[in-house]
Amino acid sequence: GAVVSQHPSRVICKSGTSVKIECRSLDFQATTMFWYRQFPKKSLMLMATSNEGSKATYEQGVEKDKFLINHASLTLSTLTVTSAHPEDSSFYICSARGQGESQPQHFGDGTRLSIL
Amino acid sequence: QQQVKQSPQSLIVQKGGISIINCAYENTAFDYFPWYQQFPGKGPALLIAIRPDVSEKKEGRFTISFNKSAKQFSLHIMDSQPGDSATYFCAAREEYGNKLVFGAGTILRVKS
Repeated sequence: GAVVSQHPSRVICKSGTSVKIECRSLDFQATTMFWYRQFPKKSLMLMATSNEGSKATYEQGVEKDKFLINHASLTLSTLTVTSAHPEDSSFYICSARGQGESQPQHFGDGTRLSIL
Repeated sequence: QQQVKQSPQSLIVQKGGISIINCAYENTAFDYFPWYQQFPGKGPALLIAIRPDVSEKKEGRFTISFNKSAKQFSLHIMDSQPGDSATYFCAAREEYGNKLVFGAGTILRVKS
């Protein structure tokens, strides 16, 4: 149980393109979803927290107009990297947590984004 | 400010040996301490977690030891296997909190 599916797993696109990444909880309802960014051989950096039906809460230093997050249902959150540039290239990982603050976070397998 | 300090940065262990990874924290509001295992190109997977009301939790070959007074916790991997080679992250979360705070990670290599 507790499977989180992230799509696509890898995307390569040209500078200036907007890229959408999907995160789905397959077998549970995720009231809260999280988006992380991970640089090579580094830890996970939280970008934002989203609750279903409400606006995402962004961490300090994360541009909300650059990284658009939508959590429209209890099983789906999307991250859109708008007008992506090479410096946005990274490994993006989502996680989802079921109802209740005591529930653990379950992670997707990440999306490798490469901007040329 | 690094809220959860993890060590060592990397670790090499012989097959069959014990791998030990340590974490320390300052925030006494933390009340949930999970460990995650991450393979290259994959997302982290929850391995085992502990709350501060117990000093030890064991699941198979994985054991968490927790020292509340010292604000330290550690992961022990018994009978380490080459398949355990991965990056391990400790984390902590406040009671009623949303966010996990991660350690810097430990790259474990188990030599066969």
